[in-house]
Amino acid sequence: DAKTTQPNSMESNEEEPVHLPCNHSTISGTDYIHWYRQLPSQGPEYVIHGLTSNVNNRMASLAIAEDRKSSTLILHRATLRDAAVYYCILREPSGGGADGLTFGKGTHLIIQP
Amino acid sequence: DADVTQTPRNRITKTGKRIMLECSQTKGHDRMYWYRQDPGLGLRLIYYSFDVKDINKGEISDGYSVSRQAQAKFSLSLESAIPNQTALYFCATSDLRDGVYNEQFFGPGTRLTVL
Repeated sequence: DAKTTQPNSMESNEEEPVHLPCNHSTISGTDYIHWYRQLPSQGPEYVIHGLTSNVNNRMASLAIAEDRKSSTLILHRATLRDAAVYYCILREPSGGGADGLTFGKGTHLIIQP
Repeated sequence: DADVTQTPRNRITKTGKRIMLECSQTKGHDRMYWYRQDPGLGLRLIYYSFDVKDINKGEISDGYSVSRQAQAKFSLSLESAIPNQTALYFCATSDLRDGVYNEQFFGPGTRLTVL
């Protein structure tokens, strides 16, 4: 499976934008880029995913580099509730073969009030 | 009500005991998964099921077995629990939309301690 690299931790202030980077230099042409987050004492929660174009939803935006070797999850206005571990995951579209998500250690996002 | 539920939420058991963790979903999804999470680490896939008749091993299936009793139910068993199976266990579901399997929906987790 293609691997992703994320910083271990990041810190930001409440009500400011947060940019969480992810490197995936060995991404294949069909891999989707997924982001999940895990709040303390909870199961992972889907945030957003994309293939080539930038994506927006109610939770966040995903900016994908033109060569697809990196991406950035953008939280436009962080709140204390956004403090979590954020995982960047590559996934084949059909989920075929060894289906399931491959989690790394993710980025621990700390939000300061 | 939660879409993906897990029982029990917490369990303490002894080495050698047989343990079953249960997962139920009301989302109508065909795919279900069991993951394990150790402290400070990401989740690792134990087993996954495409439908009732299809069970597949994941990355770390040794020491575990599963049963897909119905589309909505997927159970994980530890036949003879050992201390290094102490972990947080998550169940998840997903479904096909527009020909692509997209997000997975996770349950709240079961914290298992094996003494």
